[in-house]
Amino acid sequence: DQQVKQNSPSLSVQEGRISILNCDYTNSMFDYFLWYKKYPAEGPTFLISISSIKDKNEDGRFTVFLNKSAKHLSLHIVPSQPGDSAVYFCAASASGGTSYGKLTFGQGTILTVHP
Amino acid sequence: KAGVTQTPRYLIKTRGQQVTLSCSPISGHRSVSWYQQTPGQGLQFLFEYFSETQRNKGNFPGRFSGRQFSNSRSEMNVSTLELGDSALYLCASSLEPPNSPLHFGNGTRLTVT
Repeated sequence: DQQVKQNSPSLSVQEGRISILNCDYTNSMFDYFLWYKKYPAEGPTFLISISSIKDKNEDGRFTVFLNKSAKHLSLHIVPSQPGDSAVYFCAASASGGTSYGKLTFGQGTILTVHP
Repeated sequence: KAGVTQTPRYLIKTRGQQVTLSCSPISGHRSVSWYQQTPGQGLQFLFEYFSETQRNKGNFPGRFSGRQFSNSRSEMNVSTLELGDSALYLCASSLEPPNSPLHFGNGTRLTVT
């Protein structure tokens, strides 16, 4: 039962254009969502997060949008740079004791930004 | 500020042996979580420790165990290794969860032969 899904295994974008990565979730108890970037042979690097009380959060070139009714979130990267090429993971967590430290991850999307 | 440090980076063990992995969290972070990453299952939650107490546990067999010390450093132990335990083991630390991002180390790559 995959509670967090990233349906696009890969995405290819031209440098300077917008990258949009998508993520869907099924568990209505999730109330905190995060995006991570991962390079080979390194651990995931935290990018940006959003609480369910918001529908948008921005940090520099990164913006995360949350649509609770559709159980969908997206990460926008503008403008995209070649250094953004990596695997991007969407993750979610729920409040409460049974969720301490537990993130549920999607399977990842490989982003390639071409110069 | 130093990030999450995991040692060793690479480890090769034989089936049936046991292994201990170490994690030093970011200074000031008291919550430490462990994850297993494999190509087939992705990132899977193992357990979480806070103030030397295990507060949460994922769906892994009892061969997987951990502990946390008073300085928040943590160790993870896998006994009676199986071939399927070959994976990247990631440690993450955070301020008090929930709604506090996890910061991951670079992992320990365990190969079981």
